[in-house]
Amino acid sequence: RKEVEQDPGPFNVPEGATVAFNCTYSNSASQSFFWYRQDCRKEPKLLMSVYSSGNEDGRFTAQLNRASQYISLLIRDSKLSDSATYLCVVNGPGAGSYQLTFGKGTKLSVIP
Amino acid sequence: DADVTQTPRNRITKTGKRIMLECSQTKGHDRMYWYRQDPGLGLRLIYYSFDVKDINKGEISDGYSVSRQAQAKFSLSLESAIPNQTALYFCATSDSREPDTQYFGPGTRLTVL
Repeated sequence: RKEVEQDPGPFNVPEGATVAFNCTYSNSASQSFFWYRQDCRKEPKLLMSVYSSGNEDGRFTAQLNRASQYISLLIRDSKLSDSATYLCVVNGPGAGSYQLTFGKGTKLSVIP
Repeated sequence: DADVTQTPRNRITKTGKRIMLECSQTKGHDRMYWYRQDPGLGLRLIYYSFDVKDINKGEISDGYSVSRQAQAKFSLSLESAIPNQTALYFCATSDSREPDTQYFGPGTRLTVL
Protein backbone atom coordinates (compact mmCIF):
# COMPACT_ATOMS: atom_id res chain seq x y z
CA ARG A 1 0.00 0.00 0.00
CA LYS A 2 1.61 3.24 -1.14
CA GLU A 3 -0.41 6.08 0.35
CA VAL A 4 1.97 8.91 -0.45
CA GLU A 5 4.32 8.54 -3.39
CA GLN A 6 7.25 10.73 -4.29
CA ASP A 7 10.08 10.54 -6.78
CA PRO A 8 13.05 9.69 -4.53
CA GLY A 9 15.52 11.57 -6.72
CA PRO A 10 18.20 12.61 -6.20
CA PHE A 11 17.68 15.86 -7.99
CA ASN A 12 21.05 17.49 -8.65
CA VAL A 13 20.61 21.09 -9.74
CA PRO A 14 22.94 24.09 -10.07
CA GLU A 15 22.57 27.13 -7.86
CA GLY A 16 19.93 29.48 -9.19
CA ALA A 17 17.93 26.76 -10.91
CA THR A 18 14.22 26.17 -10.51
CA VAL A 19 13.23 22.68 -9.39
CA ALA A 20 9.84 21.05 -8.92
CA PHE A 21 8.85 18.06 -6.82
CA ASN A 22 5.67 16.10 -7.22
CA CYS A 23 3.70 13.89 -4.89
CA THR A 24 0.55 11.78 -5.23
CA TYR A 25 -1.63 10.51 -2.42
CA SER A 26 -4.20 7.73 -2.35
CA ASN A 27 -6.56 8.79 0.45
CA SER A 28 -9.26 10.94 -1.13
CA ALA A 29 -10.52 11.84 2.37
CA SER A 30 -7.28 13.61 3.29
CA GLN A 31 -7.84 17.23 4.28
CA SER A 32 -4.43 18.53 5.28
CA PHE A 33 -1.28 18.62 3.20
CA PHE A 34 2.25 19.66 3.99
CA TRP A 35 5.82 19.77 2.81
CA TYR A 36 8.48 19.02 5.42
CA ARG A 37 12.21 19.42 5.00
CA GLN A 38 14.69 16.99 6.51
CA ASP A 39 18.43 17.56 6.58
CA CYS A 40 20.73 14.54 6.75
CA ARG A 41 20.40 12.78 10.12
CA LYS A 42 18.20 15.57 11.46
CA GLU A 43 14.53 15.80 12.38
CA PRO A 44 11.86 16.75 9.83
CA LYS A 45 10.81 20.38 10.01
CA LEU A 46 7.66 21.88 8.60
CA LEU A 47 8.40 23.84 5.44
CA MET A 48 4.90 24.87 4.51
CA SER A 49 1.29 23.82 4.50
CA VAL A 50 -0.41 23.32 1.14
CA TYR A 51 -3.75 24.96 0.45
CA SER A 52 -6.25 24.33 -2.32
CA SER A 53 -5.72 27.82 -3.71
CA GLY A 54 -1.98 27.32 -3.82
CA ASN A 55 0.39 29.24 -1.61
CA GLU A 56 3.78 30.87 -1.78
CA ASP A 57 6.46 31.55 0.80
CA GLY A 58 9.37 33.43 -0.66
CA ARG A 59 11.07 31.19 -3.21
CA PHE A 60 8.77 28.26 -2.41
CA THR A 61 5.39 27.64 -4.04
CA ALA A 62 3.08 24.76 -3.19
CA GLN A 63 0.11 23.59 -5.24
CA LEU A 64 -2.66 21.10 -4.55
CA ASN A 65 -4.89 19.38 -7.09
CA ARG A 66 -7.57 17.50 -5.17
CA ALA A 67 -9.17 16.00 -8.28
CA SER A 68 -5.90 14.38 -9.30
CA GLN A 69 -4.74 13.86 -5.68
CA TYR A 70 -1.50 15.56 -6.54
CA ILE A 71 0.72 17.99 -4.63
CA SER A 72 3.70 19.92 -5.92
CA LEU A 73 6.51 22.04 -4.53
CA LEU A 74 8.40 24.54 -6.67
CA ILE A 75 11.69 26.04 -5.52
CA ARG A 76 12.95 29.05 -7.45
CA ASP A 77 16.51 30.42 -7.44
CA SER A 78 17.89 27.38 -5.60
CA LYS A 79 20.46 27.98 -2.88
CA LEU A 80 23.11 25.62 -1.57
CA SER A 81 21.23 25.67 1.74
CA ASP A 82 18.17 24.16 0.03
CA SER A 83 20.00 20.82 -0.19
CA ALA A 84 17.90 18.42 1.87
CA THR A 85 15.22 15.76 1.57
CA TYR A 86 11.69 17.06 1.04
CA LEU A 87 8.86 15.03 2.53
CA CYS A 88 5.32 15.17 1.21
CA VAL A 89 2.85 14.66 4.07
CA VAL A 90 -0.93 14.19 4.15
CA ASN A 91 -3.30 13.48 7.01
CA GLY A 92 -4.93 10.08 7.16
CA PRO A 93 -5.26 7.14 6.65
CA GLY A 94 -8.71 7.42 8.20
CA ALA A 95 -11.20 10.10 7.18
CA GLY A 96 -10.86 13.00 9.58
CA SER A 97 -7.75 11.36 11.00
CA TYR A 98 -5.19 13.47 12.75
CA GLN A 99 -2.49 10.97 11.95
CA LEU A 100 -0.01 11.99 9.30
CA THR A 101 1.25 9.80 6.48
CA PHE A 102 4.72 10.65 5.21
CA GLY A 103 6.15 10.08 1.78
CA LYS A 104 9.62 8.61 1.59
CA GLY A 105 11.05 11.92 0.49
CA THR A 106 12.76 13.49 -2.50
CA LYS A 107 16.44 14.28 -2.13
CA LEU A 108 17.69 17.59 -3.51
CA SER A 109 21.35 18.51 -3.96
CA VAL A 110 22.11 22.05 -5.07
CA ILE A 111 25.53 22.23 -6.66
CA PRO A 112 27.78 25.31 -6.76
CA ASP B 1 16.59 25.50 24.48
CA ALA B 2 14.89 22.92 22.26
CA ASP B 3 11.12 22.60 22.65
CA VAL B 4 11.15 18.83 22.09
CA THR B 5 14.01 16.81 23.53
CA GLN B 6 14.84 13.14 23.31
CA THR B 7 17.15 11.01 25.43
CA PRO B 8 19.38 9.26 24.74
CA ARG B 9 20.50 10.63 21.37
CA ASN B 10 22.39 7.49 20.53
CA ARG B 11 22.18 3.99 22.00
CA ILE B 12 23.78 0.69 21.16
CA THR B 13 22.31 -2.35 22.84
CA LYS B 14 22.14 -6.11 22.50
CA THR B 15 19.34 -8.39 21.39
CA GLY B 16 16.95 -9.18 24.23
CA LYS B 17 17.67 -6.08 26.29
CA ARG B 18 14.91 -3.76 27.49
CA ILE B 19 15.32 -0.21 26.23
CA MET B 20 13.44 2.97 27.08
CA LEU B 21 13.54 6.12 24.97
CA GLU B 22 12.35 9.33 26.58
CA CYS B 23 10.70 12.36 25.04
CA SER B 24 10.00 15.66 26.79
CA GLN B 25 8.39 18.82 25.49
CA THR B 26 7.98 22.38 26.74
CA LYS B 27 5.53 23.44 24.02
CA GLY B 28 2.48 22.72 26.14
CA HIS B 29 1.07 20.47 23.43
CA ASP B 30 -1.42 17.77 24.35
CA ARG B 31 -0.62 15.36 21.52
CA MET B 32 2.55 13.32 21.26
CA TYR B 33 3.78 10.73 18.77
CA TRP B 34 6.55 8.19 18.27
CA TYR B 35 7.87 7.41 14.78
CA ARG B 36 10.67 5.31 13.43
CA GLN B 37 12.57 6.06 10.25
CA ASP B 38 14.40 3.47 8.20
CA PRO B 39 16.37 4.11 5.01
CA GLY B 40 14.07 3.84 2.01
CA LEU B 41 10.94 3.43 4.12
CA GLY B 42 10.24 6.90 5.39
CA LEU B 43 8.65 7.74 8.72
CA ARG B 44 6.21 5.25 10.21
CA LEU B 45 3.97 5.86 13.22
CA ILE B 46 4.49 3.54 16.19
CA TYR B 47 2.17 4.98 18.87
CA TYR B 48 0.41 8.23 19.58
CA SER B 49 -1.27 9.88 22.54
CA PHE B 50 -3.85 12.66 22.56
CA ASP B 51 -3.69 13.26 26.31
CA VAL B 52 -2.29 11.90 29.55
CA LYS B 53 -3.04 8.18 29.88
CA ASP B 54 -4.43 8.07 26.32
CA ILE B 55 -2.57 5.52 24.17
CA ASN B 56 -3.24 4.56 20.55
CA LYS B 57 -1.49 2.11 18.29
CA GLY B 58 0.03 3.32 15.06
CA GLU B 59 1.06 1.46 11.95
CA ILE B 60 3.86 -0.60 13.52
CA SER B 61 3.23 -1.02 17.26
CA ASP B 62 4.26 -4.67 17.63
CA GLY B 63 7.32 -5.04 19.85
CA TYR B 64 6.88 -1.58 21.38
CA SER B 65 5.00 -0.07 24.31
CA VAL B 66 4.55 3.50 25.48
CA SER B 67 3.68 5.44 28.60
CA ARG B 68 2.16 8.91 28.96
CA GLN B 69 2.08 9.72 32.68
CA ALA B 70 2.43 13.47 32.24
CA GLN B 71 1.47 15.86 29.47
CA ALA B 72 5.07 16.82 28.83
CA LYS B 73 6.50 13.31 28.66
CA PHE B 74 6.00 10.32 26.38
CA SER B 75 8.29 7.31 26.68
CA LEU B 76 8.79 4.44 24.26
CA SER B 77 9.92 1.01 25.43
CA LEU B 78 11.30 -1.95 23.60
CA GLU B 79 10.68 -4.85 25.97
CA SER B 80 13.09 -7.20 24.24
CA ALA B 81 15.07 -5.48 21.53
CA ILE B 82 15.76 -7.24 18.24
CA PRO B 83 18.11 -6.23 15.41
CA ASN B 84 15.33 -5.16 13.02
CA GLN B 85 14.41 -2.46 15.54
CA THR B 86 17.64 -0.71 14.62
CA ALA B 87 16.43 2.65 13.33
CA LEU B 88 16.19 6.38 13.91
CA TYR B 89 13.36 7.15 16.34
CA PHE B 90 11.59 10.49 16.43
CA CYS B 91 9.19 11.92 18.95
CA ALA B 92 6.77 14.62 17.79
CA THR B 93 4.15 16.85 19.35
CA SER B 94 1.13 18.80 18.16
CA ASP B 95 -1.56 21.00 19.63
CA SER B 96 -5.19 19.88 19.38
CA ARG B 97 -6.06 23.32 18.01
CA GLU B 98 -3.72 22.69 15.10
CA PRO B 99 -3.39 18.91 15.22
CA ASP B 100 -1.74 18.28 11.89
CA THR B 101 1.24 20.57 12.48
CA GLN B 102 3.75 18.36 14.18
CA TYR B 103 7.05 19.40 15.76
CA PHE B 104 9.80 16.82 15.95
CA GLY B 105 12.52 16.10 18.46
CA PRO B 106 16.13 15.62 17.32
CA GLY B 107 15.85 11.85 17.15
CA THR B 108 17.41 8.84 18.86
CA ARG B 109 19.67 6.58 16.83
CA LEU B 110 19.21 3.04 18.18
CA THR B 111 21.38 0.12 17.17
CA VAL B 112 20.48 -3.40 18.29
CA LEU B 113 23.30 -5.89 17.88
